[in-house]
Amino acid sequence: EAGVTQFPSHSVIEKGQTVTLRCDPISGHDNLYWYRRVMGKEIKFLLHFVKESKQDESGMPNNRFLAERTGGTYSTLKVQPAELEDSGVYFCASSLDSDRVNEKLFFGSGTQLSVL
Amino acid sequence: AQKVTQAQTEISVVEKEDVTLDCVYETRDTTYYLFWYKQPPSGELVFLIRRNSFDEQNEISGRYSWNFQKSTSSFNFTITASQVVDSAVYFCALQNYGGSQGNLIFGKGTKLSVKP
Repeated sequence: EAGVTQFPSHSVIEKGQTVTLRCDPISGHDNLYWYRRVMGKEIKFLLHFVKESKQDESGMPNNRFLAERTGGTYSTLKVQPAELEDSGVYFCASSLDSDRVNEKLFFGSGTQLSVL
Repeated sequence: AQKVTQAQTEISVVEKEDVTLDCVYETRDTTYYLFWYKQPPSGELVFLIRRNSFDEQNEISGRYSWNFQKSTSSFNFTITASQVVDSAVYFCALQNYGGSQGNLIFGKGTKLSVKP
């Protein structure tokens, strides 16, 4: 069974450009999460999808970030325009259980974004 | 404030040594969950354990053991007879019961290097 996959694994862009990150969750997982780790800092929650609906987007830094999950399958996270402080590793995770007690998150390997 | 502190940034041991990774947390909630994740060189975070705040029983899984002490707000992780394959970054995380699903509060991680 395929795990959570993220594309690309690395992206180097210039300030002001647009970048789109993609996450393919494990098939059948309704819950999809995005997280970010800025260098030297903690991994921070960005948002949570249940199928195609945004359940919690309290962690999104600002309106330059747009996450979508059309059809409730894969998700994209677009940064437009990118700023230097957006550099970091963006993780995606998915889970099957809606029960918080039993939920187990499966993470992807992340996308390393470098904004120059 | 809700926070997870992993004071050890990097630890280096020689194979077969025992090693303990420290985790101290802060939360206002009485019900919460604590986690440990492993991030091997491949990049993805791998779930190791979840502990409910009402269950202070220590847990052992093979060479891994966890010591949860509410009195000191700590959830330490010990690897017995470490192996080279244990080399990874280890993250401790907190989830408040009242918080939204998947909204984990991570520590900065401890990089463990096990040398042959």
